[in-house]
Amino acid sequence: DAKTTQPTSMDCAEGRAANLPCNHSTISGNEYVYWYRQIHSQGPQYIIHGLKNNETNEMASLIITEDRKSSTLILPHATLRDTAVYYCIVRVGVTSYDKVIFGPGTSLSVIP
Amino acid sequence: GAVVSQHPSWVICKSGTSVKIECRSLDFQATTMFWYRQFPKQSLMLMATSNEGSKATYEQGVEKDKFLINHASLTLSTLTVTSAHPEDSSFYICSALESRGSGTEAFFGQGTRLTVV
Repeated sequence: DAKTTQPTSMDCAEGRAANLPCNHSTISGNEYVYWYRQIHSQGPQYIIHGLKNNETNEMASLIITEDRKSSTLILPHATLRDTAVYYCIVRVGVTSYDKVIFGPGTSLSVIP
Repeated sequence: GAVVSQHPSWVICKSGTSVKIECRSLDFQATTMFWYRQFPKQSLMLMATSNEGSKATYEQGVEKDKFLINHASLTLSTLTVTSAHPEDSSFYICSALESRGSGTEAFFGQGTRLTVV
């Protein structure tokens, strides 16, 4: 799997958009960008994934640059419950039983 | 999303005893499951890949005779920590892969907090 680089920690004011960046400059053409988060003492939760187009679901939006070397996860209106560690992972998702390898992630603190 | 259930959520055991942790995919079949270990303030570390009907594949540095993995059905994988010692105290998390039209998605259990005393 390609490696990813994320900031160690970020703060975000409650109600504002949280923009979490991720660099994946060595991503391969068949690798997807996945985002998970882990709230303290719980298992990770899937958020969103994408290949090259921007994606949106009920939880977040994923913006992938045209060269696919970086992406941004956007939580449009952060709440206190969004405080968690966010992991950006690249892996071959389609028809693959590829491992899910976690890096250090970004610890997001949503502040009242 | 799909549901993965781990049992127990927490366990305390005496040093030298064995502990079994179960991981179940509740609403889908999973030929592949993963087991992770997480120490405080650290990320998840992959221990092994569990494949239904075959032997597990262990990551480098993980003792296969200490961490026994059995994946006997498409909905159940178990991790047994044998002869547990205090240094095995950790948060153990399982994950199951579900096949979907857009690829495979990984869903995670809620974790098992193991404390060895």
